[in-house]
Amino acid sequence: RKEVEQDPGPFNVPEGATVAFNCTYSNSASQSFFWYRQDCRKEPKLLMSVYSSGNEDGRFTAQLNRASQYISLLIRDSKLSDSATYLCVVNMGNFNKFYFGSGTKLNVKP
Amino acid sequence: GAGVSQSPSNKVTEKGKDVELRCDPISGHTALYWYRQSLGQGLEFLIYFQGNSAPDKSGLPSDRFSAERTGGSVSTLTIQRTQQEDSAVYLCASSQGQTTGELFFGEGSRLTVL
Repeated sequence: RKEVEQDPGPFNVPEGATVAFNCTYSNSASQSFFWYRQDCRKEPKLLMSVYSSGNEDGRFTAQLNRASQYISLLIRDSKLSDSATYLCVVNMGNFNKFYFGSGTKLNVKP
Repeated sequence: GAGVSQSPSNKVTEKGKDVELRCDPISGHTALYWYRQSLGQGLEFLIYFQGNSAPDKSGLPSDRFSAERTGGSVSTLTIQRTQQEDSAVYLCASSQGQTTGELFFGEGSRLTVL
């Protein structure tokens, strides 16, 4: 079983839509959680960390459910520029154990 | 520049040849990671360096793969006797070494083995 699992998508949504991605992780000892964004043929970049109490950054909201071992990312008022692959990342508490999901592809259409 | 620098950006080689990929991390970052990403796939952990500690090589797929980090800075990933299945983008990342720290990635080295 993979450490981190994501729906690969693609999610095809119109501009202005609200879209949500989920990610599940297998190890209950996981300590830190992140969403990264990867544009086509580019390197991943940190979008936001995910905190236990949930956190928001503009149009983006991240939630963590430790009991069910899943993380979510909500994007409101989608923009064309949001089109990318979103990677769920989990850290086990050791520096070296950053596990990446395979990513969820988002296409925002005009 | 101030970011993670990787070279070459593209490498085409013949099966059986050796290749070296280089990573120059952000100055002051003590942690350095190598990942591999095949087309349409997620990132596969290869190896991790933290300061002067022994590297975590648990992700290296075979003994054809090796990496070193000289002087706690520049790292070289070497693939010996390349195979077609080694074709992928090899991504290097560095961080300040804290568990909650952000990983900063280079643009990657795209390896194609013919």
